[in-house]
Amino acid sequence: DAGVTQSPTHLIKTRGQQVTLRCSPKSGHDTVSWYQQALGQGPQFIFQYYEEEERQRGNFPDRFSGHQFPNYSSELNVNALLLGDSALYLCASSLRQGSSYEQYFGPGTRLTVT
Amino acid sequence: GQQVMQIPQYQHVQEGEDFTTYCNSSTTLSNIQWYKQRPGGHPVFLIQLVKSGEVKKQKRLTFQFGEAKKNSSLHITATQTTDVGTYFCVPGNQFYFGTGTSLTVIP
Repeated sequence: DAGVTQSPTHLIKTRGQQVTLRCSPKSGHDTVSWYQQALGQGPQFIFQYYEEEERQRGNFPDRFSGHQFPNYSSELNVNALLLGDSALYLCASSLRQGSSYEQYFGPGTRLTVT
Repeated sequence: GQQVMQIPQYQHVQEGEDFTTYCNSSTTLSNIQWYKQRPGGHPVFLIQLVKSGEVKKQKRLTFQFGEAKKNSSLHITATQTTDVGTYFCVPGNQFYFGTGTSLTVIP
């Protein structure tokens, strides 16, 4: 049973460029959330996707957008990259129904903006 | 989003000593989750607490949810080097991680 997978593992981009990060949820999960984690900080919630729609959003600008596909996998897109976007981007999957809010995290994508 | 504060921010203990981290909210929480993140790793779900006054144990780890559901704690008995990492509390339906407590265990 595969857990949450993310690609790529590492990425280096130049300021102003655009980037797409990918996530495949744990088998059986239908909800994907994205987090940004700067060095030494806790994960910051970006947004959550369920049924191919953004359901909740954290305090991130419109440069951050996403998509969820019919197979529940998801993409995070960041436009007009800033140096401050350098961080570990974590994807977490969960099951919408039920009373548990348990999230399974992927290993993350380390983005460096130069 | 709902914010929680964790104390302490950092804790260094000798191996074998006990460790406790506290999570405090100004508002009543419907439930709370605890996660552990090892250095260089990703957060791993530990437990979810739902009921007022609930206490759950996982081997050397004891989790409590306050009677008023505004605070929670994680206690580790006789720490080991494998306990090193940052412990986060998360209001269950809010997706907002607390500030975390970074635990260092000195062998």
